[in-house]
Amino acid sequence: NAGVMQNPRHLVRRRGQEARLRCSPMKGHSHVYWYRQLPEEGLKFMVYLQKENIIDESGMPKERFSAEFPKEGPSILRIQQVVRGDSAAYFCASSLSRGGLDEQFFGPGTRLTVL
Amino acid sequence: GDSVTQMEGPVTLSEEAFLTINCTYTATGYPSLFWYVQYPGEGLQLLLKATKADDKGSNKGFEATYRKETTSFHLEKGSVQVSDSAVYFCALEDTGGFKTIFGAGTRLFVKA
Repeated sequence: NAGVMQNPRHLVRRRGQEARLRCSPMKGHSHVYWYRQLPEEGLKFMVYLQKENIIDESGMPKERFSAEFPKEGPSILRIQQVVRGDSAAYFCASSLSRGGLDEQFFGPGTRLTVL
Repeated sequence: GDSVTQMEGPVTLSEEAFLTINCTYTATGYPSLFWYVQYPGEGLQLLLKATKADDKGSNKGFEATYRKETTSFHLEKGSVQVSDSAVYFCALEDTGGFKTIFGAGTRLFVKA
C-alpha cells in the first residue's frame, strides 16, 4: 500500500509565478491536511479538506493561497504570485477519518524555492 | 489557543547515552499528544502517542507519559543510537479535532 505521495519533491519558481503542489492521499483516505514548514521551524497547519469540501482553512493566508480536493484526483495547493517568503517545505497528510480519531500519515513534502 | 513548547536544540549525545527532550503544552481541553520524528529530507513519522492522562506511549525504545498535572509529555530513551539522529516534534491534537499543532522541533545528533 503506497504511502502519501507528493509531487513535485522540489519546485523552483520566480517571484510572481504560480506554484501548484499535488498530494495523493493513501488509498482509502478521504481526509487531507496541508502544513507548511519554514526553515528550522515546526509545521504550521494550513488547511483540512475532505473530498470536495474545505473543512477548516484557518491556517491559510487570506490571499494568493487556495486548496482543493476534487472528487477525482489529488489534492492541490495553489499559490499564486509567489513571493520569497513562500519558500518553505509543504507537507500533506492524510487520514482514514477525522484528525484526532485516526493517525495522520505524512508525505515526503514539496520544497518550494522562490527566486 | 492551544500551543506546544519543546526544548531548543540541537541536542548532541554520545551513543548509548540517555535522552530526554522536554515538551509542555497549553490546551483548553484534554488533547491527544504525539511525538513525531523527521529524518533528513523526509516527511514526519509518528513515533508514539498518548490519548489520555497517565497514558504512556512507547515505540522503538522511546517513551513518553501524558502528565496532566504538569501539562508535559517528555520524550525519553535509555540508550540512543547513531540512527536516532533526527528532528523530533512534540504535537497535540487541536481540541476542535481537525488539526495537529506542532512544537518547533528539537534536532538530535548522536555521535558514535
